[in-house]
Amino acid sequence: DVKVTQSSRYLVKRTGEKVFLECVQDMDHENMFWYRQDPGLGLRLIYFSYDVKMKEKGDIPEGYSVSREKKERFSLILESASTNQTSMYLCASSLMAQGSTDTQYFGPGTRLTVL
Amino acid sequence: SQQGEEDPQALSIQEGENATMNCSYKTSINNLQWYRQNSGRGLVHLILIRSNEREKHSGRLRVTLDTSKKSSSLLITASRAADTASYFCATDPTLSGGYNKLIFGAGTRLAVHP
Repeated sequence: DVKVTQSSRYLVKRTGEKVFLECVQDMDHENMFWYRQDPGLGLRLIYFSYDVKMKEKGDIPEGYSVSREKKERFSLILESASTNQTSMYLCASSLMAQGSTDTQYFGPGTRLTVL
Repeated sequence: SQQGEEDPQALSIQEGENATMNCSYKTSINNLQWYRQNSGRGLVHLILIRSNEREKHSGRLRVTLDTSKKSSSLLITASRAADTASYFCATDPTLSGGYNKLIFGAGTRLAVHP
């Protein structure tokens, strides 16, 4: 079975702090994604990566950056956390690269609170 | 940009009843997928239907797709309390540039009462 893990289930940070959210998948997937989930808004794509060191902006990249130095690991970085970044963050991965259709496998999520 | 919109936003039924959730979308798609999310957890893939398919079954799940109306429905038959969760439709738009980039709706919260 595919396993996607996220470094923390719950995280509390202060405004202005730099925050790292880590995601690791163990099935050699090319694609990895970071979403945030807010009530009534569903999942919104922040960034995705289709290969090591490659990244693409999603729908709401402002205030975030990402890093993918190894195929299995995709990090989401909040350079200076703000209260409006309080949310549930979900990482996902999928097997195939461009031109394929495939399902996404999700981690358990990190509930981030910024005070 | 929100592609899929689920209807209803919330659904409450008794065990044994059927649950139907609908999803509408705006642009042409390669496929449409349904996911389930238990409270406070990650999403789990349920079923995928391609744009050239009209109906698909998986266990107690039945999905239909009407590309002319840009809509899909998910039917859960003989529901159980364990089906209580949020259900999301996700579309893979044809013009998204590939990379399996899905667009999710806001979800339907299903509560199944014993």
